[in-house]
Amino acid sequence: DTGVSQNPRHKITKRGQNVTFRCDPISEHNRLYWYRQTLGQGPEFLTYFQNEAQLEKSRLLSDRFSAERPKGSFSTLEIQRTEQGDSAMYLCASSPNFSREAFFGQGTRLTVV
Amino acid sequence: KNEVEQSPQNLTAQEGEFITINCSYSVGISALHWLQQHPGGGIVSLFMLSSGKKKHGRLIATINIQEKHSSLHITASHPRDSAVYICAVPNFGNEKLTFGTGTRLTIIP
Repeated sequence: DTGVSQNPRHKITKRGQNVTFRCDPISEHNRLYWYRQTLGQGPEFLTYFQNEAQLEKSRLLSDRFSAERPKGSFSTLEIQRTEQGDSAMYLCASSPNFSREAFFGQGTRLTVV
Repeated sequence: KNEVEQSPQNLTAQEGEFITINCSYSVGISALHWLQQHPGGGIVSLFMLSSGKKKHGRLIATINIQEKHSSLHITASHPRDSAVYICAVPNFGNEKLTFGTGTRLTIIP
């Protein structure tokens, strides 16, 4: 198992474009989290999946953001009509059930120009 | 909501110095994570602890549940230890993490 994998690692996009990021968690990890980290800050929670069910969404996740986890495996995070304020590092983490351990991916750094 | 505070925000030290980074939180927890983030952005989990002390190589983490405080120590610091160190606490139930703002550590040769 290669750990949590995120693609792409970097994305530069023009304001107003849509972008999609992918996270492949460690296999058999039921829980998957998306976090966002802006420059100089700690990461902030965006959303959480238990298998394929999206159980919680932060208020940070505006209606331009949508996340899915079909079949309870990989997850995608889409941002529509990107804004400069969306520029950040988007981090994915996965955990097995009944464990407090968290395994992070390398993140996707988004720059909106 | 749990508030997580770290100190110092920035720390510069000479190679070989003993380093201490502190983390305080406001609500009782079952465990606390110490994480390391290098300039590329990826986060590596260093420790998860719920009581006492853990040691891994030159890194030592301690936690005092009653005082809601944890420390990360680095002995014989080395330039490759230069990174951002972040503490994080899980939310009871869904285990989502609340993070501190991080401590940027720079070790000068």
